[in-house]
Amino acid sequence: EVQLAESGGGLVQPGGSLRLSCAASGFSVINSYMTWVRQAPGKGLEWVAVIYSGGNTDYADSVKGRFIISRESSKNTLDLQMNSLGAEDTAVYYCARNDLWSGYYFEQWGQGTLVIVSS
Amino acid sequence: QSVLTQPPSVSGAPGQRVTISCTGSSSNFGAGYDVHWYQQLPGTAPKLLIFRNNNRPSGVPDRFSGSKSGTSASLAITGLQAEDEADYYCQSYDGSLNAFYVFGTGTKVTVL
Repeated sequence: EVQLAESGGGLVQPGGSLRLSCAASGFSVINSYMTWVRQAPGKGLEWVAVIYSGGNTDYADSVKGRFIISRESSKNTLDLQMNSLGAEDTAVYYCARNDLWSGYYFEQWGQGTLVIVSS
Repeated sequence: QSVLTQPPSVSGAPGQRVTISCTGSSSNFGAGYDVHWYQQLPGTAPKLLIFRNNNRPSGVPDRFSGSKSGTSASLAITGLQAEDEADYYCQSYDGSLNAFYVFGTGTKVTVL
């Protein structure tokens, strides 16, 4: 069974950094497109970043240059290093596995981890 | 900001049919990219509901159906049930510069 479980969320001060992790089971993150999506409190879904099976990455303009998506094959995890955090980054962060056929939608989602940026 | 536009809310009585529209543009739906739909029950993660315009993952009731035409798409729920009360999001891929994956603004479905 495919499962995703995020961790690493918490309270961080403005300008600070935080690293999120997503543990995958039932499949290999290396062979999949993997994505981070976030949802600010009371708001809609926002795509954040994707890492393709070949290792290339893409980012939303709102996080480009501050966030880094990566994966660890030995642990079968997806990570998100978040730097220079601001209040606008406060959100629940979800990891998701893209569909295996086209990569254009998100087949499985984790339960999410909450990041609060506040002094 | 979202490039796919949905109505903020729709409502219906149990057993009724409701539809949710999703308006895109020439760089997503109009460019041939498919629409996908997610259901988010209160306090939970989104779940894939419809993929590639009109396909349901295993376990999704056939009360849910989707369609796409031109630069618009829609999700229909027939035989509305109390458990359908949730937020619904459309999603697609956008070929314009740096857009990539885009979500709709979201629609709250209320069962009266």
